[in-house]
Amino acid sequence: ELKVEQNPLFLSMQEGKNYTIYCNYSTTSDRLYWYRQDPGKSLESLFVLLSNGAVKQEGRLMASLDTKARLSTLHITAAVHDLSATYFCAVPFGNEKLTFGTGTRLTIIP
Amino acid sequence: EAQVTQNPRYLITVTGKKLTVTCSQNMNHEYMSWYRQDPGLGLRQIYYSMNVEVTDKGDVPEGYKVSRKEKRNFPLILESPSPNQTSLYFCASSLSGMWEGHEQFFGPGTRLTVL
Repeated sequence: ELKVEQNPLFLSMQEGKNYTIYCNYSTTSDRLYWYRQDPGKSLESLFVLLSNGAVKQEGRLMASLDTKARLSTLHITAAVHDLSATYFCAVPFGNEKLTFGTGTRLTIIP
Repeated sequence: EAQVTQNPRYLITVTGKKLTVTCSQNMNHEYMSWYRQDPGLGLRQIYYSMNVEVTDKGDVPEGYKVSRKEKRNFPLILESPSPNQTSLYFCASSLSGMWEGHEQFFGPGTRLTVL
């Protein structure tokens, strides 16, 4: 069984600061997905990481994947209020299953 | 507009009354999936489908059925709903399977309450 753990579960940070969300998973995978969910809304795809060492950036968000450490990070640079949301990582498993992390609820404080 | 649609968006029903939640995508995607989202438990995959007539169980398939008779549609069937199936349900689709690394598009969600 694949376990996907995110930390922290809750993160409150000030605007303008930098922070990192961590996603650890328990079995071998060279694919990892990041999603964003705004309160009361559906999920939106942020990044697809396809190999060891992959790095993707979009605006103030940067995601990376270390398959040897079974770790992905989502780094937030100079946070702004619009980034307040819940962020999920997800890892493929077995025959095309997808297992999600528990999510990180991010709140940006002015 | 490329999208995944679900119906109904909200449903309150009673224990044992069969129901179907429809899901449709207009992007000619091969992979479709159903998830449920519960507070404290995150998202869990119920069933997925790689193509027409090809379906497989996710992590929490008990109490659910699916079918994939056409590429665009992937309905979720609850034959005899119970209160523990009260949840927020999302349908999603992707060009191909999760190992292929394509973006997954989610529907707006269906909030189901079983009394």
